[in-house]
Amino acid sequence: RKEVEQDPGPFNVPEGATVAFNCTYSNSASQSFFWYRQDCRKEPKLLMSVYSSGNEDGRFTAQLNRASQYISLLIRDSKLSDSATYLCVVLQAGGSYIPTFGRGTSLIVHP
Amino acid sequence: EPEVTQTPSHQVTQMGQEVILRCVPISNHLYFYWYRQILGQKVEFLVSFYNNEISEKSEIFDDQFSVERPDGSNFTLKIRSTKLEDSAMYFCASSEAARTQYFGPGTRLTVL
Repeated sequence: RKEVEQDPGPFNVPEGATVAFNCTYSNSASQSFFWYRQDCRKEPKLLMSVYSSGNEDGRFTAQLNRASQYISLLIRDSKLSDSATYLCVVLQAGGSYIPTFGRGTSLIVHP
Repeated sequence: EPEVTQTPSHQVTQMGQEVILRCVPISNHLYFYWYRQILGQKVEFLVSFYNNEISEKSEIFDDQFSVERPDGSNFTLKIRSTKLEDSAMYFCASSEAARTQYFGPGTRLTVL
């Protein structure tokens, strides 16, 4: 069975902390990788795509390790507004790229 | 900024009734999707739709489910005879090129 696994947390960190999440995937033929953010009872919102060379967007850095089949998300200088669930999404190669979601990692940033 | 919209935001129905959930994808997008999320669980793929036909579907998407693009803007999910376990948040998403997907705000379906 092709799975995407995440530590559910919660990760409880103070403002200003650096926090990192990992996500492992089992299908080596996976094509594309994303981090989404989901607030309570809201829709997932795209945070960033994950490229093979790694990529950064402000305080957020995403990395892909194909050999070990995991992706990571690093958040620097955490803000209260970063509190959310972070979803790892992997697209399997199929007719139209079937997405598989992880269960998400909960982040709580406290003052 | 263009966005995906969904109606209604909350639908309450009796077991055995039919429901239709509606979505308006982003206008220049070509790929459309339905997902569900049972409370406290992960987002689950139901179906993808491209060029007026289903391109992929999961094992959840059985004969009780159907999708339609009745005109140039709407994309609907029909559940023919709802069951208690269909209670969930249903998200529509659209994509320009079958990779990055943008989600609507969801419809909360409650089956009594």
